[in-house]
Amino acid sequence: DAGVTQSPTHLIKTRGQQVTLRCSPKSGHDTVSWYQQALGQGPQFIFQYYEEEERQRGNFPDRFSGHQFPNYSSELNVNALLLGDSALYLCASSLGTSGRPDVGELFFGEGSRLTVL
Amino acid sequence: AQKITQTQPGMFVQEKEAVTLDCTYDTSDPSYGLFWYKQPSSGEMIFLIYQGSYDQQNATEGRYSLNFQKARKSANLVISASQLGDSAMYFCAMREGLGNDMRFGAGTRLTVKP
Repeated sequence: DAGVTQSPTHLIKTRGQQVTLRCSPKSGHDTVSWYQQALGQGPQFIFQYYEEEERQRGNFPDRFSGHQFPNYSSELNVNALLLGDSALYLCASSLGTSGRPDVGELFFGEGSRLTVL
Repeated sequence: AQKITQTQPGMFVQEKEAVTLDCTYDTSDPSYGLFWYKQPSSGEMIFLIYQGSYDQQNATEGRYSLNFQKARKSANLVISASQLGDSAMYFCAMREGLGNDMRFGAGTRLTVKP
């Protein structure tokens, strides 16, 4: 049973560039959430996708956008990269979480480590 | 405002001993869930244990137990019989009511000494 897979695992970009990160959810999961984890901090919620739509968004600028495909995989796009965007980007999948805090245990991938120079 | 507070940046424990990692939270929603995750150096967040706000008993999962004190808004993780493989970052997290996001604390780095 494949877990959550993310690609690439590491990448280096320069300021102003754009980056696309990819995530395949755990088999059977239909919901994908993205988190940003800066060095020495806990993950911060970017947004969640369900049924190919952004269902909820955290406090991140419009430079951060996403997409979910019919097979439930997802992409995170970041435009006009800043030095402060350097972080580990974690994808988490779950099953139809909505409205109940006790359902939808998140399964995380190993993340994509982005370095912006 | 900080929703999840972990006051211990680092903790040390001797192998085979028990250790408690602290977590306090802040919410006005009567319905919420509390989670603990382990993050080894590989980066993956591994789910350990869950406690619901309406649960009457403290959650337990193998060597992990959660000391849930609702009135004090604390949800401390207890690891019994520590193993060298327990060395990692540990994060407390909360999901509130109808929200789909999970808020994490800053984490505690646990080091198990042989």
